[in-house]
Amino acid sequence: KNQVEQSPQSLIILEGKNCTLQCNYTVSPFSNLRWYKQDTGRGPVSLTIMTFSENTKSNGRYTATLDADTKQSSLHITASQLSDSASYICVVSAILGFQKLVFGTGTRLLVSP
Amino acid sequence: DTEVTQTPKHLVMGMTNKKSLKCEQHMGHRAMYWYKQKAKKPPELMFVYSYEKLSINESVPSRFSPECPNSSLLNLHLHALQPEDSALYLCASSPVGRATGELFFGEGSRLTVL
Repeated sequence: KNQVEQSPQSLIILEGKNCTLQCNYTVSPFSNLRWYKQDTGRGPVSLTIMTFSENTKSNGRYTATLDADTKQSSLHITASQLSDSASYICVVSAILGFQKLVFGTGTRLLVSP
Repeated sequence: DTEVTQTPKHLVMGMTNKKSLKCEQHMGHRAMYWYKQKAKKPPELMFVYSYEKLSINESVPSRFSPECPNSSLLNLHLHALQPEDSALYLCASSPVGRATGELFFGEGSRLTVL
């Protein structure tokens, strides 16, 4: 069964600190893995998209890693800001004639002053 | 222009009303999607249009009727909805035929069914 699991479910950190969010998946055949940021009541915004051959990809203070062998990904946020408070969703794409997206349940991050 | 625009942002309707949600993109994407998202849950796929033709219907009740009048527009017609249909409805678009095609989401339409 295609599944994406994220941990932790929620996280509170102090402003300026770093944090790492985890994503484990069992999606086949794998196409790519994406991290989205979603503010409450808004649409998801893409942070990174990684294919099988990519290990690391950065977008400003966001760095995603992918280990296709262990089927794990992480999203590292450096020097957190209050505006980083949001849900972070890991989405894995399978190729089934079209792109079938499997969504994780997300990690709710709260950055506290 | 990398935007997917959804209107209205908020909609309140009764169970006997007929309303529509609209979505527009000008990125030349030929795949467009409707997702439904309940609070604290991930988005759930409803429909996929590819080249203006309905490709996927994830067993959505017929009270939701999608329409793709042209390559830039996607509508979701609503009729005889139930209170449990209250949710955030997200439109998205992506290129067709590219395995790593980025999926762009709109800001969503918040629907409340009374």
